[in-house]
Amino acid sequence: AQSVTQLDSHVSVSEGTPVLLRCNYSSSYSPSLFWYVQHPNKGLQLLLKYTSAATLVKGINGFEAEFKKSETSFHLTKPSAHMSDAAEYFCVVSAPSGGSYIPTFGRGTSLIVHP
Amino acid sequence: EPEVTQTPSHQVTQMGQEVILRCVPISNHLYFYWYRQILGQKVEFLVSFYNNEISEKSEIFDDQFSVERPDGSNFTLKIRSTKLEDSAMYFCASGTLADTQYFGPGTRLTVL
Repeated sequence: AQSVTQLDSHVSVSEGTPVLLRCNYSSSYSPSLFWYVQHPNKGLQLLLKYTSAATLVKGINGFEAEFKKSETSFHLTKPSAHMSDAAEYFCVVSAPSGGSYIPTFGRGTSLIVHP
Repeated sequence: EPEVTQTPSHQVTQMGQEVILRCVPISNHLYFYWYRQILGQKVEFLVSFYNNEISEKSEIFDDQFSVERPDGSNFTLKIRSTKLEDSAMYFCASGTLADTQYFGPGTRLTVL
């Protein structure tokens, strides 16, 4: 069994300040972990993924995430927010199940960026 | 950059009608998926498809649903007799690896 908890439904930051979107997971197996972003009326875009290589993963648009096994966390960060970062962000855990990977999505965190 | 495409972007149907949602995955991808997102709720896995057959399906994917890859490029989701609760955004995804998926923009299905 696997689950994902995104600890904040909304995060509000000012442009130019750091972003932290929190994600905790549970999984019976060594999981793959992902962050996706969804802009209004758009599909889900892959930001980054962790698959048991380096624990600090760099993604697109300046985002990165750190896998911390001891804390079962995979928080998403960015040093300086842009207005264009305003979107919904989903943390996803995916572990093997009979040869396939069945992903479980978090509920999403809405990132609001103020000018 | 290649993308997953979905048509239509919005489908309105009457309860009890059949609908077919269409997806064109990225051309060299081998794994195909459908998800749905009911308004205000989580994205939910429906089904995965590999090597011309369903590899996994969720409890949501009951006998009302079916998937097909009719011609090597399209990947379709059919709902035989739509219910009000089928109203949702349906996302198609594809990937070259079993654990990484690239999503289309979604089809918003409204059942009246």
